[in-house]
Amino acid sequence: GNSVTQMEGPVTLSEEAFLTINCTYTATGYPSLFWYVQYPGEGLQLLLKATKADDKGSNKGFEATYRKETTSFHLEKGSVQVSDSAVYFCALKDNAGNMLTFGGGTRLMVKP
Amino acid sequence: NAGVMQNPRHLVRRRGQEARLRCSPMKGHSHVYWYRQLPEEGLKFMVYLQKENIIDESGMPKERFSAEFPKEGPSILRIQQVVRGDSAAYFCASSPTQDRFYEQYFGPGTRLTVT
Repeated sequence: GNSVTQMEGPVTLSEEAFLTINCTYTATGYPSLFWYVQYPGEGLQLLLKATKADDKGSNKGFEATYRKETTSFHLEKGSVQVSDSAVYFCALKDNAGNMLTFGGGTRLMVKP
Repeated sequence: NAGVMQNPRHLVRRRGQEARLRCSPMKGHSHVYWYRQLPEEGLKFMVYLQKENIIDESGMPKERFSAEFPKEGPSILRIQQVVRGDSAAYFCASSPTQDRFYEQYFGPGTRLTVT
């Protein structure tokens, strides 16, 4: 079956530091890949997506590149802010199913 | 433009009681998804519904759990005879069409605690 593995948190960074959150996946065929963000007390929000190999999704300074050869979709941001503190979820959807398969989430804490 | 609404936000039930979780999708959305998040785990798909139809319930436990999305009113996830292992956060998401499944707008979740 499909699965998504994320690095465990929490990840604690100082403001303006570089962020990487690793995500690798197992799936048949060519899934679509996503990053969702959950701010405290809120539901998940779609942050960015990529639907085919070598696509780069980007939004709000965050980026992730769909790497078929390494089955990865790592999330990066060049300079984090305190307001980026949240839980980040990597997810995939294959072409056959109706559901998203999520990783366990990575909590990011950014200190001023 | 109200987002996805879930209520209650927190629900405490004793073992053996019933839990009813409600989800009102975004206006204009006719597709609803339910996910469960156990402590320290990711979200796991439970069921996908359209108005008056269950499309995919492959993630639902075979017993005690049921879901509906009536023509009028919110979607309901019902758990009968709750056990401690049902304690989790339950998230609902809605999307406008099946093609735009990735535009799943999530509610804030209902945190169920079984004592």
